[in-house]
Amino acid sequence: DTAVSQTPKYLVTQMGNDKSIKCEQNLGHDTMYWYKQDSKKFLKIMFSYNNKELIINETVPNRFSPKSPDKAHLNLHINSLELGDSAVYFCASSPALTGAAFFGQGTRLTVV
Amino acid sequence: AQSVSQHNHHVILSEAASLELGCNYSYGGTVNLFWYVQYPGQHLQLLLKYFSGDPLVKGIKGFEAEFIKSKFSFNLRKPSVQWSDTAEYFCAVIISGTYKYIFGTGTRLKVLA
Repeated sequence: DTAVSQTPKYLVTQMGNDKSIKCEQNLGHDTMYWYKQDSKKFLKIMFSYNNKELIINETVPNRFSPKSPDKAHLNLHINSLELGDSAVYFCASSPALTGAAFFGQGTRLTVV
Repeated sequence: AQSVSQHNHHVILSEAASLELGCNYSYGGTVNLFWYVQYPGQHLQLLLKYFSGDPLVKGIKGFEAEFIKSKFSFNLRKPSVQWSDTAEYFCAVIISGTYKYIFGTGTRLKVLA
């Protein structure tokens, strides 16, 4: 059983399109995150949710909108995709806001 | 702003060599500390964590880390690396009260067989 699963694993799309990435965790964790990893492997937090409530929203363009329908899911919707959005996006969950994080396999987004 | 520094960006070692990767953070209060490993093409996995207690923490795969509060450091060590340790290593910090993971820029380790 995959603890944190993301779909799709790869996403290639044209500039201007809207796309979504889904994330589900079956660990019973209260906290979920979205991270962006750029081509230099730098990891930056984008959003953090606790019990479906947004806790952290870093300086992310409002083209990015997270949605948490329940504690086990945190989806990421991106409008009007730009070339600079190309990166690997990781979903993660943790048992508490300060606990160790479990990461999904990542979604490699390529905007052409 | 709080930050995490990993000064070694690329490290190349031969098998059986000893490893020490540096991690420093800039915050004077209570922190939780982590090391994660990312094998090529894979997701991040937790190696070890420090919340409190014994500052010498043992993790998986023979890794350990030492928290030195006075130096704001949490260096990762392994006495004898293997080819399979080739990966990217990330130090991370959660500062109490902020609920935000701050990751270092990562250290790329290559172990030569």
